[in-house]
Amino acid sequence: GQSLEQPSEVTAVEGAIVQINCTYQTSGFYGLSWYQQHDGGAPTFLSYNALDGLEETGRFSSFLSRSDSYGYLLLQELQMKDSASYFCAVRPLNTGNQFYFGTGTSLTVIP
Amino acid sequence: NAGVMQNPRHLVRRRGQEARLRCSPVKGHSHVYWYRQLPEEGLKFMVYLQKENIIDESGMPKERFSAEFPKEGPSILRIQQVVRGDSAAYFCASSPGVGNEKLFFGSGTQLSVL
Repeated sequence: GQSLEQPSEVTAVEGAIVQINCTYQTSGFYGLSWYQQHDGGAPTFLSYNALDGLEETGRFSSFLSRSDSYGYLLLQELQMKDSASYFCAVRPLNTGNQFYFGTGTSLTVIP
Repeated sequence: NAGVMQNPRHLVRRRGQEARLRCSPVKGHSHVYWYRQLPEEGLKFMVYLQKENIIDESGMPKERFSAEFPKEGPSILRIQQVVRGDSAAYFCASSPGVGNEKLFFGSGTQLSVL
């Protein structure tokens, strides 16, 4: 089966940097994605790592290390609006075109 | 350029009734996924469909739950004889096809079973 573990809650100060980790157990996958969800609303796609290394998209960066079965989402210059839940996700190699999501991390940004 | 449209936004049913949740994918998208989410929890995969075909329903309970994605019209997730444990948010997502890594989600249907 697929298992993606994330810390359940993270709190950080406005303007700071925060890292949200995702550790996974899966036999093989195409890449690691990240989604943001505000207050139970529609999850929205943030980033995707097909290869090991860092991908940067504005204030958000995402990292993948397949050898360590580990990835993270890095949020810089935190803003209050970044308070949301963040999910990592994978599309495994041997299960067709399904996507499996992590347990989710609730980020609270405080003044 | 409408995104994924789900309706209703909120659905209240009494135990034993049927719930029908609708999802219209992004125009041109042929792949639809349904996920279930309980409060403070992650997105649990239920079923993956392409036009007129169920590709994978391994995450869907064998009884009372069914899904379809007809050639014309929205995808439907149907829950028969609902029980209180079915209360959850149900999200639909779509993608253009195999190999595309980005899912587009709807705003979900919050099902409450009384």
